[in-house]
Amino acid sequence: GQQVMQIPQYQHVQEGEDFTTYCNSSTTLSNIQWYKQRPGGHPVFLIQLVKSGEVKKQKRLTFQFGEAKKNSSLHITATQTTDVGTYFCAGPAGGTSYGKLTFGQGTILTVHP
Amino acid sequence: NAGVMQNPRHLVRRRGQEARLRCSPVKGHSHVYWYRQLPEEGLKFMVYLQKENIIDESGMPKERFSAEFPKEGPSILRIQQVVRGDSAAYFCASSPSRDRRRQETQYFGPGTRLLVL
Repeated sequence: GQQVMQIPQYQHVQEGEDFTTYCNSSTTLSNIQWYKQRPGGHPVFLIQLVKSGEVKKQKRLTFQFGEAKKNSSLHITATQTTDVGTYFCAGPAGGTSYGKLTFGQGTILTVHP
Repeated sequence: NAGVMQNPRHLVRRRGQEARLRCSPVKGHSHVYWYRQLPEEGLKFMVYLQKENIIDESGMPKERFSAEFPKEGPSILRIQQVVRGDSAAYFCASSPSRDRRRQETQYFGPGTRLLVL
């Protein structure tokens, strides 16, 4: 079945450093979504990318969708302590229902002040 | 503007008991998804429901687990005869999904943390 892999699993940075997490799918995706989950919290939707090669920015966050629509990345510039959490990518699992998502295992980001 | 609500937020059960997890979707959303999350892991899809219908239950264990989304009231995820391995966070998400061919954003509830002793 479809697999979505994320690397790295953990990332520790000093406040002010940049951070990048990478997402790779075993199959071509119609779209990819990114979520953030704070410790003890629930996943919160960040963004959806649909087009091949698409790049979207949200303040210090830059999201990219690969040309082949099988990989994606999230880059955070100048991390802050409020960026702490787990970042998940997710793609539609396909099949007969378009609703369900396959999540990567997430990248846990810690930011040291 | 209430989001997805789940209760209870924390649930402790002894092995062999039943667990009932409730999810009220965002008002106006008719599609509900249940996911399970083990510590430091991603979310694993369990079941996708529309009002009174199970659309996809490919992620549900074949035994002891069931889900429903009645015409009135919240969606229920039911786990019978719980075992220690059922301990996890269970998240519900909802989407408007008027067109099942579109990938709608899913809005997640706060989750129910189930602990089986």
